[in-house]
Parts: sequence; C-alpha cells; structure tokens
Amino acid sequence: GDSVTQMEGPVTLSEEAFLTINCTYTATGYPSLFWYVQYPGEGLQLLLKATKADDKGSNKGFEATYRKETTSFHLEKGSVQVSDSAVYFCAAFSNDYKLSFGAGTTVTVRA
Amino acid sequence: SQTIHQWPATLVQPVGSPLSLECTVEGTSNPNLYWYRQAAGRGLQLLFYSVGIGQISSEVPQNLSASRPQDRQFILSSKKLLLSDSGFYLCAWSRFGRATNTGELFFGEGSRLTVL
Repeated sequence: GDSVTQMEGPVTLSEEAFLTINCTYTATGYPSLFWYVQYPGEGLQLLLKATKADDKGSNKGFEATYRKETTSFHLEKGSVQVSDSAVYFCAAFSNDYKLSFGAGTTVTVRA
Repeated sequence: SQTIHQWPATLVQPVGSPLSLECTVEGTSNPNLYWYRQAAGRGLQLLFYSVGIGQISSEVPQNLSASRPQDRQFILSSKKLLLSDSGFYLCAWSRFGRATNTGELFFGEGSRLTVL
C-alpha cells in the first residue's frame, strides 16, 4: 500500500522565518497528495492539495508542488507567523478508501 | 453544506469501564466514515473505516469496535478500556465511490479520552 514519510519534528522558528517540511511518498500509481494542519486541541483540516504531477497547491501563504520525479510534496512558507504553530501532516491517496498519513511535524513559531 | 460532529469532546474513564464515542455527518449521503486515533506525540492511526451501513473494516487488532447503525452515524465502542486506549480520537468522512472520492477527508473536532 501507499506510505508517506515526512520530516521529523519538532521544528521551532522565529516569526518571519522560512519554513520547509519535507514529505515523500511511496505508491504504485500517482496518488493525490495533501497537507493537513491540526491546530492545538482541534481536529485536522485540509491546508492544500495537488492531484497530479507538477500541480502546485497553495493556501494561507503555504505552497507545495507535486514532484513525480522525486516522489515528493514538500510544504513551504516564506514568512511564518505565530498563528502557524500547529502539527502538519502530509498524506497520499490512491485508488482505495484510505488516506495514508505521515507521522506529523510539530511546528512552533516564536514571536 | 456538510458538517461532521463527534462527542463527547472530553472523556475521563477508569480502566475496565465501557466506552462509546459517537459521530454524525450531515449534508451528504452514503459517506465513507473513519475512526482515527492520535496518541500523544504520535501520528494518526486508522482504526476503522466503513463504506456503508453495517460494513466495518478494522485496521488494527484491539479491544475497540465500531458500528454504523445508520448511513451517517458511526460509533466507536469498547467493553473494557485499557490505559493504552488513552488518546485523541478523530472521526472523519469522505465522499463515496471512485468517481467522486478525491481522497479528501473531512474531520470532526476530536474526542480526548483519558483512561485512569
């Protein structure tokens, strides 16, 4: 089945710093790829997604590009804010009923 | 629009007691339904999923069970809780069918269970 590997955390940054969280996937085909975000004490919510190679998902200043050649979907933001402190999950979906999640990366942004 | 609710939000239970967490979805028909567990400092573990009423698939052996008595209702249960059952439980839904299911999951607010 599919599997997702993402960068280990935790990650601590200062405000306005650049954030990158690496994510790679293993799948038999070309899965749809997602980044979910979980703010403290809440459920997960979709941050962005890409459904085919070279697609770029973007939302709230975050971006990730579906790279088929490197099987990657790295998350980036050019200038983080304290409100971006959360746990970020990379996920992949192929042609069954289940979404495969990475282990999650905890990001803390300091003022 | 679609909404998902799960309850209770917080639960503290003694070891050996029963458990019932409930999840309901509104605004869609025949959704796929999921229960995930998130242990402290760890990722998401898929526990159960269901593609229809009475159809439950279990992903990991454990003392938990799931039921789907109605199309948009999904219940997570245990007869006797263990300390290791503590965690944050998340219900989620996705659209049914290969033509419409893009893989996107819509999550509930979560239920925090502490077993003492």
